Amino acid sequence: AAGVIQSPRHLIKEKRETATLKCYPIPRHDTVYWYQQGPGQDPQFLISFYEKMQSDKGSIPDRFSAQQFSDYHSELNMSSLELGDSALYFCASSPVLTGGELFFGEGSRLTVL
Amino acid sequence: SQQGEEDPQALSIQEGENATMNCSYKTSINNLQWYRQNSGRGLVHLILIRSNEREKHSGRLRVTLDTSKKSSSLLITASRAADTASYFCATDIVQGAQKLVFGQGTRLTINP
Repeated sequence: AAGVIQSPRHLIKEKRETATLKCYPIPRHDTVYWYQQGPGQDPQFLISFYEKMQSDKGSIPDRFSAQQFSDYHSELNMSSLELGDSALYFCASSPVLTGGELFFGEGSRLTVL
Repeated sequence: SQQGEEDPQALSIQEGENATMNCSYKTSINNLQWYRQNSGRGLVHLILIRSNEREKHSGRLRVTLDTSKKSSSLLITASRAADTASYFCATDIVQGAQKLVFGQGTRLTINP
């Protein structure tokens, strides 16, 4: 069965650089979520989209932005990277807007040097 | 964590024993879910229990929910080495939120 695809799986950037992460949800899943997980931490909700519109926003820095495109894939753009942005970034999708399980991708590991 | 606290933070048991992890949360919920995460990998959904349910089973997993105490427990019976992972509870809260809020997780180690 198709799963959530994230790219790249690993990314190394310098401070103040920009990074873009991509997420391809499971077909016919129209809700996409982004989470950030620091080392030894729980996943922290960043932002979500439903039918290409932002549906909720969490602790996402102003330096980060995201969107969902017409083909339902989503991109997380991170600018002016800081050392503290080093983390695993997960995308998840769901076939329902609320109340269902989330299907997670394998994550993108961002390292900021 | 904004919503959930898990207890214990780490648990180490022998293969074949039962493992119990607890989760507490702060606000009213629609449902509570448990996820498993192998080190550095994506989270995998294990089980969902709705706010009007008190207990649910799935294979070797048993989940309880006490909404009056705002707490849940996950029991893994007859543990196996392959159960070694981190386990997170996540709550789907009532006030129009369209996200899951995760607890801090329990790191479970099963010793062969």
